[in-house]
Amino acid sequence: DAGVIQSPRHEVTEMGQEVTLRCKPISGHNSLFWYRQTMMRGLELLIYFNNNVPIDDSGMPEDRFSAKMPNASFSTLKIQPSEPRDSAVYFCASRRDKDNEQFFGPGTRLTVL
Amino acid sequence: SQQGEEDPQALSIQEGENATMNCSYKTSINNLQWYRQNSGRGLVHLILIRSNEREKHSGRLRVTLDTSKKSSSLLITASRAADTASYFCATHLKGAQKLVFGQGTRLTINP
Repeated sequence: DAGVIQSPRHEVTEMGQEVTLRCKPISGHNSLFWYRQTMMRGLELLIYFNNNVPIDDSGMPEDRFSAKMPNASFSTLKIQPSEPRDSAVYFCASRRDKDNEQFFGPGTRLTVL
Repeated sequence: SQQGEEDPQALSIQEGENATMNCSYKTSINNLQWYRQNSGRGLVHLILIRSNEREKHSGRLRVTLDTSKKSSSLLITASRAADTASYFCATHLKGAQKLVFGQGTRLTINP
């Protein structure tokens, strides 16, 4: 298995632009999680899905952030418009419901200028 | 405030020594997990301890859990340079499907 796949690995954009991050979870995993990691705030859960349905989006910082999971093998996290304070590493993780362990992707390093 | 807080924030030891990291949390948990993150990489699951367990071993890792004190410790014995990484505790809260991560301990093993 290739593990959790995220793209792009690095993204540099200018303030005001739309950014779309992509994630392919491990096949057979029911839950998908989006995290953001910064030096100041550590690892924060933004949103998680179970069976493609958003369960808890209380960590989404504001309306500029949105996430979708149209099917079991794909999810997107969109920021529109982006701001410099959105600069961070964004991780996607997936898990099978009967297990507790989360499997993390390699992350997308986002820089908003 | 953070559910899980690690102590110390940074630890530097010589290769071959043991490394101990601590984690404290605030609310009731189903289990507590430890993850490792190498620089520039995603987190990797190391070990899980359930709320009804007190100690667990996996290779050179030993985890303890004291639910009365709401604390856990991760011991890495006979450390190696490859153990250099950040280590995070994550609590699986009762009634929730999500994990809450601490701020992490940055461990450096000097050759």
